Amino acid sequence: GQNIDQPTEMTATEGAIVQINCTYQTSGFNGLFWYQQHAGEAPTFLSYNVLDGLEEKGRFSSFLSRSKGYSYLLLKELQMKDSASYLCAVLGEDGGYNKLIFGAGTRLAVHP
Amino acid sequence: EAQVTQNPRYLITVTGKKLTVTCSQNMNHEYMSWYRQDPGLGLRQIYYSMNVEVTDKGDVPEGYKVSRKEKRNFPLILESPSPNQTSLYFCASVTSTTTGNEQFFGPGTRLTVL
Repeated sequence: GQNIDQPTEMTATEGAIVQINCTYQTSGFNGLFWYQQHAGEAPTFLSYNVLDGLEEKGRFSSFLSRSKGYSYLLLKELQMKDSASYLCAVLGEDGGYNKLIFGAGTRLAVHP
Repeated sequence: EAQVTQNPRYLITVTGKKLTVTCSQNMNHEYMSWYRQDPGLGLRQIYYSMNVEVTDKGDVPEGYKVSRKEKRNFPLILESPSPNQTSLYFCASVTSTTTGNEQFFGPGTRLTVL
């Protein structure tokens, strides 16, 4: 089967660093995405990894290890507006077609 | 401005009353998709379309229909809505780039079926 696991909830302090982990087991692998979603709003694209290693984009970084089926999203210098859900999604394969599979999301609460 | 639009944004209806949620994109994308999002379950794909007149079932297609008569529009049809279809629905339009497939999501439609 296809499965993506990430923690349900996390809390952190403003100005700190937080790491959100994601493990996956999928049929095929064509890349891993991280999305941010504020309550009641649409997900917005944060990052994409297809090769092993770290991708840095401002305060956000994403890491991938394909051999371990593992990724993390690192958020630095946390701000209150970073309070949101973070969705890990893997582009796998199903019947010969690419298929994006989402985890249930990690709800991050940033406190002063 | 590149965007995906959905209508309506909010809808309360009753069991059995047919409804359609529209989705439109202005980016000339070939691939479009419908998802529903429920607490603790993440985004689940309902139907997707690879191109005009090409559609296929996702993970949770029961109770839904779609059509793709033109590239920009991908409506979601509930012929006889039931309370278990109460959910938050997102339409997405997908582009393939050298850095991968990026999904552009519509603003969402919150549906309540009584």
